[in-house]
Amino acid sequence: SQKIEQNSEALNIQEGKTATLTCNYTNYSPAYLQWYRQDPGRGPVFLLLIRENEKEKRKERLKVTFDTTLKQSLFHITASQPADSATYLCALGSGGGFKTIFGAGTRLFVKA
Amino acid sequence: DVKVTQSSRYLVKRTGEKVFLECVQDMDHENMFWYRQDPGLGLRLIYFSYDVKMKEKGDIPEGYSVSREKKERFSLILESASTNQTSMYLCASRSGQGANEQYFGPGTRLTVT
Repeated sequence: SQKIEQNSEALNIQEGKTATLTCNYTNYSPAYLQWYRQDPGRGPVFLLLIRENEKEKRKERLKVTFDTTLKQSLFHITASQPADSATYLCALGSGGGFKTIFGAGTRLFVKA
Repeated sequence: DVKVTQSSRYLVKRTGEKVFLECVQDMDHENMFWYRQDPGLGLRLIYFSYDVKMKEKGDIPEGYSVSREKKERFSLILESASTNQTSMYLCASRSGQGANEQYFGPGTRLTVT
């Protein structure tokens, strides 16, 4: 069955460093991959989309890579700030479909 | 500013009660979704709707039903609540298909005792 794996252990980094989160998937050939941010007690908020024919996408301090051979996406936050502390979810979908499959998320803590 | 609202942030119900969770979006989106979120399991799709009065089962529809009588409103119904339905319930809406982003509501934390 389709499976998405995100590091279940929290990631702790120092302010100013680059945070790198990993999303691996199996038994799936997604047409796109999304990253969402979720703060405690709130719904997820969309951050970035990357499609299967794209290797890398950037938005301000965020960078996402998508390697369909390794079946992996990396999500980078450069010059991290305490305000970046949150849970980050990756989500996969097939082209034209209704359903999106979400990972369980990785909790990021950025210390000042 | 786009908005998805959910009727309650916190809800406590007894086993066997009928529970209604309501979701309203103001973006004229065709698609609406109900998920539940449990620690370590991520968001799991319960039901979705791609048009008024249209619904499709998601991955875990057992014990739930839905209703979409108006485009902006999507209701999740627990016919007879059970303790294993204690969870965070998230509603989302989306325009069109595929890679378009989903907009989520704040969630309803339901506890069934």
